[in-house]
Amino acid sequence: EVRLVESGGNLVKPGGSLRLSCAVSGFNFHYAWMTWVRQAPGKRLEWVGRIKSKSDGATTDYAAPVRGRFTISRDDSKSTVFLQMNSLKTEDTGVYYCSPAGDYVSWADYWGQGTLVTVSS
Amino acid sequence: SDELTQPPAVSVSPGQTATITCSGSRLGERFVCWFQQKPGQSPVLVIYRDSERPSGIPERFSGSISGNTATLTISGTQAMDEADYYCQAWDSSAEVFGGGTKLTVL
Repeated sequence: EVRLVESGGNLVKPGGSLRLSCAVSGFNFHYAWMTWVRQAPGKRLEWVGRIKSKSDGATTDYAAPVRGRFTISRDDSKSTVFLQMNSLKTEDTGVYYCSPAGDYVSWADYWGQGTLVTVSS
Repeated sequence: SDELTQPPAVSVSPGQTATITCSGSRLGERFVCWFQQKPGQSPVLVIYRDSERPSGIPERFSGSISGNTATLTISGTQAMDEADYYCQAWDSSAEVFGGGTKLTVL
């Protein structure tokens, strides 16, 4: 059974930092590209960024609104992907989801519950 | 900017066919996925690689692409299909979501 478990969400002040984790089980994590997606309350899904597999260079790509502030990394030994969020803004508030990406997207039909990040003073 | 355009809302009667479109530049050069999201729930993948259906998704869901427009078709729509639907396109450098379509089954 595939499981995606996001954690690390919290209430943080503008300008603060937060590190999210996504623990994966049920598929060969080290092969998979992994992506982060967020959803502000009542709004649409928004792509945040992605990390490719180590065999594809573990390169990262980011959406324009987070580029330079967010960093994605992975620990294949723990089947975990991370999202380091710095210089947080109120518009970063939302539920953050991780999922396999690219050709690996079908490895998880169902996403995890996500983790809530609230940026507010 | 890289945007995918979906109709905000689509209505369909039970048993009829629902069609949701997604248009964007270079869509034909990228792979398209479709996600279903019901209120208070996480998204569920219903179509990947333009037209492939995950094993647990009913056959009434199908996807297609023509030029720069992708289409999600739900044949014999059921009340349980009422949800928000998002298209997503990806390539080697980025991903992008559409604005979402609220499907109402009247």
